[in-house]
Amino acid sequence: DAGITQSPRHKVTETGTPVTLRCHQTENHRYMYWYRQDPGHGLRLIHYSYGVKDTDKGEVSDGYSVSRSKTEDFLLTLESATSSQTSVYFCAISESGQGNGGEQYFGPGTRLTVT
Amino acid sequence: AQRVTQPEKLLSVFKGAPVELKCNYSYSGSPELFWYVQYSRQRLQLLLRHISRESIKGFTADLNKGETSFHLKKPFAQEEDSAMYYCALSAYNTDKLIFGTGTRLQVFP
Repeated sequence: DAGITQSPRHKVTETGTPVTLRCHQTENHRYMYWYRQDPGHGLRLIHYSYGVKDTDKGEVSDGYSVSRSKTEDFLLTLESATSSQTSVYFCAISESGQGNGGEQYFGPGTRLTVT
Repeated sequence: AQRVTQPEKLLSVFKGAPVELKCNYSYSGSPELFWYVQYSRQRLQLLLRHISRESIKGFTADLNKGETSFHLKKPFAQEEDSAMYYCALSAYNTDKLIFGTGTRLQVFP
């Protein structure tokens, strides 16, 4: 497995509380991505980063924010968690980005439950 | 808008039977297409990409621009092929992947 870790791996939280998920890589890859995986929806991109402090929105970015202050860390924050954000969250990294046919390497996932 | 459609949520076959997982896409330009696989208790990983025209674990996929399809095929399924399969598209000169909803393949002994 590529050097990608996610923390926490499991979290249960209450509606309205803030939550931060962390993705950490040791590959020095430029691109980092956050997805959510839901039955019937597959993987949907939340936000991605193409460099330190450079981020952009994906297709389901509402209710989420991200930050990347270091190459190796990409944080996903739910400012005020809602039950609709119960999901499995995956981080991925890529060396060259998709425009060059770059492969994405995925982390193990974080299972988040919002009660 | 770019879209990837995988019409089957579940595909069940017996060992040794041929397998075809369907993928259709919507994109006006020249796409890059991929198949990713997630085995039980493992991470999502790249299976193959159309530009390399490889055969990985006996799987092949041919890009058909006329039918806008990128179906994944294997002539003889094995039990270890049981997994979740995702088709994905990357539009030209973007850094993002668009995934389909996935097809779960079950191969029975």
